[in-house]
Amino acid sequence: NAGVTQTPKFQVLKTGQSMTLQCAQDMNHNSMYWYRQDPGMGLRLIYYSASEGTTDKGEVPNGYNVSRLNKREFSLRLESAAPSQTSVYFCASRENTEAFFGQGTRLTVV
Amino acid sequence: AQRVTQPEKLLSVFKGAPVELKCNYSYSGSPELFWYVQYSRQRLQLLLRHISRESIKGFTADLNKGETSFHLKKPFAQEEDSAMYYCALRGANAGNMLTFGGGTRLMVKP
Repeated sequence: NAGVTQTPKFQVLKTGQSMTLQCAQDMNHNSMYWYRQDPGMGLRLIYYSASEGTTDKGEVPNGYNVSRLNKREFSLRLESAAPSQTSVYFCASRENTEAFFGQGTRLTVV
Repeated sequence: AQRVTQPEKLLSVFKGAPVELKCNYSYSGSPELFWYVQYSRQRLQLLLRHISRESIKGFTADLNKGETSFHLKKPFAQEEDSAMYYCALRGANAGNMLTFGGGTRLMVKP
């Protein structure tokens, strides 16, 4: 039982490049989330998915897209990376009350 | 809209001293409140939730609807309590949106 798995763990992008962050959970949870963590700003919600086939914008969705490919997987895509998107990205899944988090992806955009 | 505020970015105490990490929220309905903790180099994990009214690792938190607060308390801090603490809110009518505060770094000095 791996919980929530994110790939990659680290990534460096050049401005304008695109990439997809992958997230998968094996707990059969309906809800999944993408957050970014920045110093002094805590965790800010980018997008979330209440169930397979649905996605909704969070607090800071600009510059990102998501896909809930199936119940297990929820990917986050940066179409044209910007330095402002340098951050640590966390995926989480939730059923009932407790949310379970991945180990994070440290993304640097230069 | 739902919002969580943690006014202190850093809280530094000596071992054995009492600790109170403040959390205030705004939400028009009935919220579920949580405290999550992130120890160094570990994943974010649930510490406690208000509906359980439990004490975890000596920490307690009481939901005060009148003051819209959910402060985290521990009577005697330990060095191993040093971590980043996040208060979080899930609104019952917010489509499963889980919102976090900016986080408070607790440092317990020997």
